[in-house]
Amino acid sequence: NAGVMQNPRHLVRRRGQEARLRCSPMKGHSHVYWYRQLPEEGLKFMVYLQKENIIDESGMPKERFSAEFPKEGPSILRIQQVVRGDSAAYFCASSPAGRGSITEAFFGQGTRLTVV
Amino acid sequence: SQQGEEDPQALSIQEGENATMNCSYKTSINNLQWYRQNSGRGLVHLILIRSNEREKHSGRLRVTLDTSKKSSSLLITASRAADTASYFCATGGTSGSRLTFGEGTQLTVNP
Repeated sequence: NAGVMQNPRHLVRRRGQEARLRCSPMKGHSHVYWYRQLPEEGLKFMVYLQKENIIDESGMPKERFSAEFPKEGPSILRIQQVVRGDSAAYFCASSPAGRGSITEAFFGQGTRLTVV
Repeated sequence: SQQGEEDPQALSIQEGENATMNCSYKTSINNLQWYRQNSGRGLVHLILIRSNEREKHSGRLRVTLDTSKKSSSLLITASRAADTASYFCATGGTSGSRLTFGEGTQLTVNP
C-alpha cells in the first residue's frame, strides 16, 4: 500500500508562471488536506477536500490559489501567476475519515516550490 | 501564543539523555497529535492522545495531556542521534477534522 504520493518533489517556476502540484492519497482515503510550510516554520493549513468537494478552504489565499480533488485522479493545488513569496514546501495529507472523526493524517514528502 | 505552540524552539542534548518538549494550545480539542519531520522530508505521525486520556506510551515515547492547562508534553527517553529532527504538535478541533500545527521544536541529539 503506497503512501501519499506527491509530485513533483521539486518545482522551479519563474514569476508569473503557473504551478501545479499533484497529490495522490493513500489507497482507500477519500479526504485530502493541503498545507504550506515556510522555512523554519510549522505547517499552515490551506484546504481540505473530499472527492469533488471543497470542505474547508479557510486557509487558502483569496487570489491565485485553487484546489480540486476530482472523482478520478489526484488532487491538484494550482497557483497562478506565482510570486517569490509563494516559495515554500507544500504538503499533502490524506485520511480515511473526515469531519468529526479522530484519526491521524498521513503525509506525503512534499513539493518544494521555488519561484525565481 | 498560537494554537499548538511548542516549547522550547530548539533543544540540543547528548545521546542517551531524555528529551522533553512541551506544547500549549488555546481552544478546546478532541485530540492532540505529535509528528516528526526530518530535514527536507514529510511529516511522520508519532502518537495520538485523545482529550479524555492523560498519558500514552509508544516505545521510547511518552506523551501527557493536561486539558485543564491546555498543554501536552512529549518525552523521548534514551535519545539517539537518529532522533534528530523537528517535532510538531498538532491539535484536532471538536468540529472539522483539520490539524492545526505549532511551529515545532528542533531537537539535536549529539553522538
